Amino acid sequence: SQTIHQWPATLVQPVGSPLSLECTVEGTSNPNLYWYRQAAGRGLQLLFYSVGIGQISSEVPQNLSASRPQDRQFILSSKKLLLSDSGFYLCAWSSNPSEQYFGPGTRLTVT
Amino acid sequence: AQSVSQHNHHVILSEAASLELGCNYSYGGTVNLFWYVQYPGQHLQLLLKYFSGDPLVKGIKGFEAEFIKSKFSFNLRKPSVQWSDTAEYFCAVNADSWGKLQFGAGTQVVVTP
Repeated sequence: SQTIHQWPATLVQPVGSPLSLECTVEGTSNPNLYWYRQAAGRGLQLLFYSVGIGQISSEVPQNLSASRPQDRQFILSSKKLLLSDSGFYLCAWSSNPSEQYFGPGTRLTVT
Repeated sequence: AQSVSQHNHHVILSEAASLELGCNYSYGGTVNLFWYVQYPGQHLQLLLKYFSGDPLVKGIKGFEAEFIKSKFSFNLRKPSVQWSDTAEYFCAVNADSWGKLQFGAGTQVVVTP
């Protein structure tokens, strides 16, 4: 069966520090991968999606970037965090273009 | 702009009461529709989905949703809720071939014993 992992589960970082969040998927190949952010009291906002290694599309202008160095690995990064980057970050995968499966998420607090 | 609206942000009801959560979207053309649920401390998971065919779809745990194309709506229902239905519920729409989802803001449902 397929599983999706995210780490770390929680993270507290000062403003201006770098960020690296990792997502890996097991049990499937060539998945579509997605990064979402959920801010308090708001729904999930799509940040990035990827249909293959090295193929990244950004949905919103922001302080973050994404990379896909391997087929089942998706990384969310920042060179310098802002307070507004705080939130709950979810990674998701799909093999079908529509149905997505979500990871456990990372709670990021920027202080 | 394309959007997904959920009518209620918080709903509190007693066990055995009926639940209906509203969802409206503003996309034109063909859409795929979803309801996701996040139970406390758990992953976001799919409750049910609509791609085509019968507009009344049944999901897990006794939930169902009805797609009304003329009203751009996809409301979620459960005839009799249980305490274990306490969760946050998200409506989502996909309108492209890349599988990108647009989510509503979510509805926090609290079921009291």
